Amino acid sequence: GQNIDQPTEMTATEGAIVQINCTYQTSGFNGLFWYQQHAGEAPTFLSYNVLDGLEEKGRFSSFLSRSKGYSYLLLKELQMKDSASYLCAVFNQAGTALIFGKGTTLSVSS
Amino acid sequence: NAGVMQNPRHLVRRRGQEARLRCSPMKGHSHVYWYRQLPEEGLKFMVYLQKENIIDESGMPKERFSAEFPKEGPSILRIQQVVRGDSAAYFCASSPSETGENTEAFFGQGTRLTVV
Repeated sequence: GQNIDQPTEMTATEGAIVQINCTYQTSGFNGLFWYQQHAGEAPTFLSYNVLDGLEEKGRFSSFLSRSKGYSYLLLKELQMKDSASYLCAVFNQAGTALIFGKGTTLSVSS
Repeated sequence: NAGVMQNPRHLVRRRGQEARLRCSPMKGHSHVYWYRQLPEEGLKFMVYLQKENIIDESGMPKERFSAEFPKEGPSILRIQQVVRGDSAAYFCASSPSETGENTEAFFGQGTRLTVV
């Protein structure tokens, strides 16, 4: 089966850098996704990692280590609008759909 | 190009009634996924469909829940004889091919079902 662990909550201040960790166990790995979800809204795609290393996309970067079953999402120059839930996801055993962690709720204060 | 459209956005049903949730995928997308999200919980996979086929329904409750994606029209998630525990946000996502292969799934705004 799959198991995904993320911290439940994190807090940070505007302009800071925050790292949201995700550890996973899965049989058969086909990539790891990060999604952002504002309260009451749809999840939106942030990143997809299938190879080890860091993928940078503007203020957001995502890192993957397949040997350690570990990923992180790095958010730089935090803004108030970054307050949201961040969801880590890997494929189910059949490889047909994404299985999500419970998400990390990030609160950014001024 | 409109995104994934779900309707209704909010649905209230009495215990024992039926709930029908609709999802129109993005244009050109033939793969649809349904997820349920309870308060303070993550997104739980329910079912994966392609046109006229159910590919993976391993997350669907065995009773009262069904899903379809006909050749024409939206995908429908149907919940019969709803109970209070069915109250949740139901999200639909679509992709042009199987998710992965560097192809992300796009989510709709969700339908918030409240059973009273």
